[in-house]
Amino acid sequence: RKEVEQDPGPFNVPEGATVAFNCTYSNSASQSFFWYRQDCRKEPKLLMSVYSSGNEDGRFTAQLNRASQYISLLIRDSKLSDSATYLCAVNSGGSNYKLTFGKGTLLTVNP
Amino acid sequence: GAGVSQSPSNKVTEKGKDVELRCDPISGHTALYWYRQSLGQGLEFLIYFQGNSAPDKSGLPSDRFSAERTGGSVSTLTIQRTQQEDSAVYLCASSRPGLATYEQYFGPGTRLTVT
Repeated sequence: RKEVEQDPGPFNVPEGATVAFNCTYSNSASQSFFWYRQDCRKEPKLLMSVYSSGNEDGRFTAQLNRASQYISLLIRDSKLSDSATYLCAVNSGGSNYKLTFGKGTLLTVNP
Repeated sequence: GAGVSQSPSNKVTEKGKDVELRCDPISGHTALYWYRQSLGQGLEFLIYFQGNSAPDKSGLPSDRFSAERTGGSVSTLTIQRTQQEDSAVYLCASSRPGLATYEQYFGPGTRLTVT
């Protein structure tokens, strides 16, 4: 099993739709979880840290399920500008600093 | 405030030449990371610095790759005798340990093309 796995997509959704991505991780000792957004030919930008209690930032909600070892990202009322690749990142159990990234899920929001 | 900066933004080099890539982290960020992202691939961890020391070099793909950091700030990644498979985007990130979540912030990257 890969350390961090994501459904590569692509996800094609209409404007206004709700879309959810999952990311599974293999190391049960992992403590830090993040979602990044990466636009084409740009650097990853931190979208959200994922806390145990879950967290919400506007239209974006992140959840952590430790029992099943996955994190999720929910985007409500999607906008054209949400089109990007969404990367999850998980720290490598034994260290707080080292992040392992998934390969990303491509989202296209259509008018 | 200023984010992570990297230079050059693009570098084209001939196979066998050495290249130096530079990263200037966010002011006050003591941790610095180098990653590489090949076309269609995920981010591959290369090396981590805490201050000037590199406690984790485990991701460096070969001894042609080296990195240093001076003054707890700027870092350079050097690739000697470049090969075509070194072509990728090299990304630098920094973070401020002490925060529980170790959030990493990325620079714009250096796109390296080895011909």
